Amino acid sequence: LAKTTQPISMDSYEGQEVNITCSHNNIATNDYITWYQQFPSQGPRFIIQGYKTKVTNEVASLFIPADRKSSTLSLPRVSLSDTAVYYCLVGWSGGGADGLTFGKGTHLIIQP
Amino acid sequence: NAGVTQTPKFQVLKTGQSMTLQCAQDMNHNSMYWYRQDPGMGLRLIYYSASEGTTDKGEVPNGYNVSRLNKREFSLRLESAAPSQTSVYFCASTEGGRNQPQHFGDGTRLSIL
Repeated sequence: LAKTTQPISMDSYEGQEVNITCSHNNIATNDYITWYQQFPSQGPRFIIQGYKTKVTNEVASLFIPADRKSSTLSLPRVSLSDTAVYYCLVGWSGGGADGLTFGKGTHLIIQP
Repeated sequence: NAGVTQTPKFQVLKTGQSMTLQCAQDMNHNSMYWYRQDPGMGLRLIYYSASEGTTDKGEVPNGYNVSRLNKREFSLRLESAAPSQTSVYFCASTEGGRNQPQHFGDGTRLSIL
């Protein structure tokens, strides 16, 4: 199983850039790294996914170093509405979900 | 387009009672998943169905059964509920393959007394 480790919580302020790092030392060759966002009383929502180097979309960037043993989710210019729990997910298999492992999540709190 | 719909949203059971949680998706996805979420534990996979007609155990399957009724529906059954099964249950679906982004429902909050 590809275990992941994330900080339990982080604080920041509106307008700042926030970086959340996930460690996944046992990542396998075919594993992708996926990040989700979860608000209270809702299911997780897909943010971004990557395999190596850098991926960017309209809401976030994902940085993955060459050894792929960690990844960093970057949220540019956060707002109060970015307060949520962020999960790092690592895992792949040839046809099933065996080894699908969510991290425990990072509770991000954005202050005015 | 509703996405993933879970019913009921809330339920209270007594120990030993049985219960089926329902999940339906309207995205024509092949794979479906059931997770439970407990404080401080993140999401843990209970069962999954890679395609219609197949089901497999995840990380924490004990005390649960599942049925992939058709391509749209994937139900989770507690035959004899226990207080340790008090949790929030989430259903998710993907087009197919675990690297595909998962689409989640809004959960069923289950309390067992």
